[in-house]
Amino acid sequence: EDKVVQSPLSLVVHEGDTVTLNCSYEVTNFRSLLWYKQEKKAPTFLFMLTSSGIEKKSGRLSSILDKKELSSILNITATQTGDSAIYLCAVEAIGGTYKYIFGTGTRLKVLA
Amino acid sequence: NAGVTQTPKFRVLKTGQSMTLLCAQDMNHEYMYWYRQDPGMGLRLIHYSVGEGTTAKGEVPDGYNVSRLKKQNFLLGLESAAPSQTSVYFCASLNPGLQETQYFGPGTRLLVL
Repeated sequence: EDKVVQSPLSLVVHEGDTVTLNCSYEVTNFRSLLWYKQEKKAPTFLFMLTSSGIEKKSGRLSSILDKKELSSILNITATQTGDSAIYLCAVEAIGGTYKYIFGTGTRLKVLA
Repeated sequence: NAGVTQTPKFRVLKTGQSMTLLCAQDMNHEYMYWYRQDPGMGLRLIHYSVGEGTTAKGEVPDGYNVSRLKKQNFLLGLESAAPSQTSVYFCASLNPGLQETQYFGPGTRLLVL
């Protein structure tokens, strides 16, 4: 059965801390893994990782794909209160179908 | 360019009532999706469409029907609402072969009493 598991489920840190969020997956014919940030409403896209693009970085956020371990991490350095959100990981269930399985998400709270 | 919009934003239904949620996108995307999000469950795919006139089942299709009569619209119907369908519903669209990331609507909060 295809599945995506995120850990931890929730996390509370203080501003300036560095956090690492984890996503592991079991899917048929992996093609892409996506990270989203969800604040109050719709998820917004952060990164897409594929076999040809296993590392992405944008400002204080970065993500790495480990195809051998079937997992990915999302790092946030120098966290700010604006980083408080649910972070979702999604994996394409069967490569080329554009059907995605989402993990349950990690709820991050950054305290001032 | 409004992106993905959803109507209504919030609705309360009684058990057994029916309703239709509307999703519209103005990006000319081929693929459209309906998800539900429940606490601790992440996003689960209900139905999706790979083009005008086509629909397919996702992970949790029971109790829902969909239609894609126009490319820009994707309708989600509940024929006989049940309390288990209380959830937040998100629509998304995607253009395969380009950015290949889903664009989400703002969500519809549905409460079934």
